[in-house]
Amino acid sequence: AQSVAQPEDQVNVAEGNPLTVKCTYSVSGNPYLFWYVQYPNRGLQFLLKYITGDNLVKGSYGFEAEFNKSQTSFHLKKPSALVSDSALYFCAVRDRYFGNEKLTFGTGTRLTIIP
Amino acid sequence: EAGVAQSPRYKIIEKRQSVAFWCNPISGHATLYWYQQILGQGPKLLIQFQNNGVVDDSQLPKDRFSAERLKGVDSTLKIQPAKLEDSAVYLCASSQTGGETQYFGPGTRLLVL
Repeated sequence: AQSVAQPEDQVNVAEGNPLTVKCTYSVSGNPYLFWYVQYPNRGLQFLLKYITGDNLVKGSYGFEAEFNKSQTSFHLKKPSALVSDSALYFCAVRDRYFGNEKLTFGTGTRLTIIP
Repeated sequence: EAGVAQSPRYKIIEKRQSVAFWCNPISGHATLYWYQQILGQGPKLLIQFQNNGVVDDSQLPKDRFSAERLKGVDSTLKIQPAKLEDSAVYLCASSQTGGETQYFGPGTRLLVL
């Protein structure tokens, strides 16, 4: 069975500082990994994904994430936080096989950027 | 490109009543998913369609939930009868066949009283 852990329910960062939102995963085989963001009363918005290749992936709004296979982690990062980055962030994993595209999500991390 | 459309956006019903949600995926996306997101949790897959066939409904409470995608495009999710614990946001997502990324609609927020 696949699973995702987001160990921090809440992360507070001062505007302009770097931010990190942590994610670890468990899946048999090689994973596909995703980050989504959710703003109030909105659906999930895709940020970035790791499929294969370079361990550092870049996504929307200046976000990036680093895939670390040995630590089974996929932490979300941004060099300089903006107040508009405040939202709920979800990490998700799925396996690679066609017909088994179910995404398994973490419980989410609420990111608050303090002006 | 238009995104995933869902309606209604909000619904309040009494327990034991029935309710239906509608989803129209991104044009050309053959795979459609319904997820349930309970407050404070991540979304959980209820059912996955490939065109008009069901791929995975292992987590769908079939005694009260049903879903269909008759023409392989839009889909309806129904709850009958609703329970208090069905209060949640119901998210629809779609992807291209074999595509890695699922794109989500705005969701339907259901409150069962």
